Amino acid sequence: QVQLVESGGGVVQPGGSLRLSCAASGFIFNHYGILWVRQAPGKGLDWVAFMGYDGSHKYYTESVKGRFTISGDNPKNTVHLQMNSLRDEDTAVYYCARGPATGSAGYSMDVWGKGTTVLVSS
Amino acid sequence: DVVMTQSPLSLSVTPGEPASISCRSSQSLLYSNGYTYLDWYLQKPGQSPQLLISLGFYRASGVPDRFSGSGSGTDFTLKISRVEAEDVGIYYCMQVLHLPFTFGPGTKVEIK
Repeated sequence: QVQLVESGGGVVQPGGSLRLSCAASGFIFNHYGILWVRQAPGKGLDWVAFMGYDGSHKYYTESVKGRFTISGDNPKNTVHLQMNSLRDEDTAVYYCARGPATGSAGYSMDVWGKGTTVLVSS
Repeated sequence: DVVMTQSPLSLSVTPGEPASISCRSSQSLLYSNGYTYLDWYLQKPGQSPQLLISLGFYRASGVPDRFSGSGSGTDFTLKISRVEAEDVGIYYCMQVLHLPFTFGPGTKVEIK
């Protein structure tokens, strides 16, 4: 079935790095964009990054620009979120979600993973 | 950044009764292609968010027809015609026209 599975979360000290992965299955991976959304403990949803189906378009929220990098590994049907210079405020559950299909309008996220938890703490 | 506001922030509804959530954006979400770049999500307790409505009023696959989205420009509404117990959770609107994409604060729906 169509699914996304995140991995790579964990505990890291401020200033450290983590690489999150989002493994896709059940659909043609490189026909869809992928988004990352995070949710700090007890808070609402916060969009983090987007990568288009062909990897040519990448967008980030301002607070992670220069620190986070989204990339794709098509042979492995996986998207990565490399997170460097982590801060306390990056502590959250990170979800990856399937975005628009090739040629579709908008950026609606119709398939979500269960999330992976990142805790930035000394 | 485009600011998304929602009202009410919490809602207690009797099963079988209707419910309505308002979402307002600080900038128009109408794109030149004629689509409105406003989506609605529901996050049920302990679960990942799920897409309810895309591009203003298109119901996502598998979403019951008691859910409907409407509105244009900067003012949008999500309506539930008859609330059921399984509809509890937090409802978010999200704009995806202007970068950065932004969510509303969420509306918590409970059952009386």
